[in-house]
Amino acid sequence: QLQLQESGPGLVKPSETLSLTCTVSGGSISNKSYYWGWIRQPPGKGLEWIGSIYYSGSTSYNASLKSRVTISVDTSKNQFSLKLSSVTAADTAVYYCARRNRDGYNWYFDLWGRGTLVTVSS
Amino acid sequence: SYELTQPPSVSVSPGQTARITCSGDALPKKYAYWYQQKSGQAPVLVIYEDSKRPSGIPERFSGSSSGTMATLTISGAQVEDEADYYCYSTDGSGNQGVFGGGTKLTVL
Repeated sequence: QLQLQESGPGLVKPSETLSLTCTVSGGSISNKSYYWGWIRQPPGKGLEWIGSIYYSGSTSYNASLKSRVTISVDTSKNQFSLKLSSVTAADTAVYYCARRNRDGYNWYFDLWGRGTLVTVSS
Repeated sequence: SYELTQPPSVSVSPGQTARITCSGDALPKKYAYWYQQKSGQAPVLVIYEDSKRPSGIPERFSGSSSGTMATLTISGAQVEDEADYYCYSTDGSGNQGVFGGGTKLTVL
């Protein structure tokens, strides 16, 4: 059974770069049927899509975050990663990694990790 | 930017039917999806492609879409269905993923 697990620092200082990794187990990140993505949720608030990546390295990003976001993939480790630069307190959130279907027009996330809380504070 | 609009809260008694709506200008052309999120847990997909139910999701969960509005229906809501529900879709270009603001369902 495929599982996703987020990992990374739980505390990041303002203006620094947030870095998280998602490890995929029970299946291959190179499966051509899926993309992989990141979604976040500030405490007490709703969900926000951050971006997605295909095993080939093709990416798409939320337009509102695009200037600060980089998503990359390491197929040898079955992992994909998120970097968010110049963080502020507004970036404090639970960050989820998830599996996305391959459809380029109607796409959605069908399997999620448990999430990891990242707090931005000095 | 594209938006999906949901009511902040819906309340029903156990056994009643709960309906949660989601409105968006692109919904006539795009599928709606629904996620259930219980307190402290990750979201779980309960409806995909407007009306399909993933395996393991109880039959009391159903979805429909007409025009610019999609609806999640929980027939005979149970106490364990109390959660936040989010609709989701992509914008008209298919380039951006968008979540609704979420609806808190209370069953008591």
